[in-house]
Amino acid sequence: DIQMTQSPSSLSASVGDRVTITCRASQAITNYLAWYQQKPGKVPQLLIYGASTLHSGVPSRFSGSGSGTDFTLTISSLQPEDVAIYYCQKYNNAPPTFGPGTKVELK
Amino acid sequence: QVHLVESGGGVVQPGASLRLSCVASGFTFTNHGMHWVRQAPGKGLEWVAIIWYDGSSKYYVDSVKGRFTISRDNSQNTVYLQMNSLRAEDTAVYYCAKDRYSSAYYFDSWGQGTLVTVSS
Repeated sequence: DIQMTQSPSSLSASVGDRVTITCRASQAITNYLAWYQQKPGKVPQLLIYGASTLHSGVPSRFSGSGSGTDFTLTISSLQPEDVAIYYCQKYNNAPPTFGPGTKVELK
Repeated sequence: QVHLVESGGGVVQPGASLRLSCVASGFTFTNHGMHWVRQAPGKGLEWVAIIWYDGSSKYYVDSVKGRFTISRDNSQNTVYLQMNSLRAEDTAVYYCAKDRYSSAYYFDSWGQGTLVTVSS
């Protein structure tokens, strides 16, 4: 099975900072990559699919890029409501596998 | 507005069984695959199973194969997860999740989850 890794595992940033999270697949997955946000005590929410397509209602400060094995999620200007754990997930085939998550906190 | 409501969680002993249910509304249920995804306390997300829009195909994560069965009743807009021979490592919040399409394997709506605790 394809394994997903994320870096960093956690980060602390200030409001307005640009934040970048990296996700890596152990094998190429073309662009079959989704990103989810899970706020504290809440249910995961889809942010991005197809590596770079923003899901409906997601603020434009979020963006995704990459293909093959290396992907990034960028928050262009961190807001207090962005405090969450972010998970990448590959879905080119079964089983759909999640990365271990990146915890984003405010400095 | 999509609404997914899980039920059936609880505290059980190792080896016991539980049946989870998820009632869906707000979308055409018969057009979408449905999944169960779980999250152990303080841990990350783990996909558990999918059932295709028409119930014709089902797939499971290796750790639950032979113990868990996913099913759906399209007349009741409900998906189920029958969990047998439960183990301590099955302890988690179980989320019902809607597939973006029939079997895209990513999830555009999630329920609130139901907690399953396996403990002696």
